[in-house]
Amino acid sequence: ETGVTQTPRHLVMGMTNKKSLKCEQHLGHNAMYWYKQSAKKPLELMFVYSLEERVENNSVPSRFSPECPNSSHLFLHLHTLQPEDSALYLCASSHLGGQGTDTQYFGPGTRLTVL
Amino acid sequence: RKEVEQDPGPFNVPEGATVAFNCTYSNSASQSFFWYRQDCRKEPKLLMSVYSSGNEDGRFTAQLNRASQYISLLIRDSKLSDSATYLCVVNSRGFSGGYNKLIFGAGTRLAVHP
Repeated sequence: ETGVTQTPRHLVMGMTNKKSLKCEQHLGHNAMYWYKQSAKKPLELMFVYSLEERVENNSVPSRFSPECPNSSHLFLHLHTLQPEDSALYLCASSHLGGQGTDTQYFGPGTRLTVL
Repeated sequence: RKEVEQDPGPFNVPEGATVAFNCTYSNSASQSFFWYRQDCRKEPKLLMSVYSSGNEDGRFTAQLNRASQYISLLIRDSKLSDSATYLCVVNSRGFSGGYNKLIFGAGTRLAVHP
């Protein structure tokens, strides 16, 4: 299944590094999401972009910076992260308007380790 | 109180068993409900939506009780391949035409053994 792709799949970075996570959806959706999943915790919504406009910033620290240049692409820029930011970062997309608008489809995730 | 609560399990059952998962949610305005399945170290995948009248998809049956704010998932004739974590997911606000914020439960782990 390649509806939503994410790169890289694994990332190890030091606390002073700057890196970016990339998400691309091939489903014609108009909303994209970033979630964080830490061990043994529920998925936490981080950011939502609806029609390329950020509509939700769920009290996420500024060391995480999202970017949505168009409806198919979503980035998460990372800088000066902390070890507790190590987690699985999942991108999702959905179609707003019409039936089944809630259904979100997830990418495979980027497993991030901060040393 | 958590917005979506699930029994974390694990549920250890033999092949062929019937197993039921329960979930409660706190927002009475929620309109949409789902069960997702997540395999170890993989992304969540939609298993089924949950409709007011209850719905069935093969061996899987989902029920919704709005009065009690309760959702269930029944799996009949369990297979080894059913081993995964099952996530209860609720729309945190009524559908207003804008985007819909989904709240995920922490998941219930199922292990099916031979």
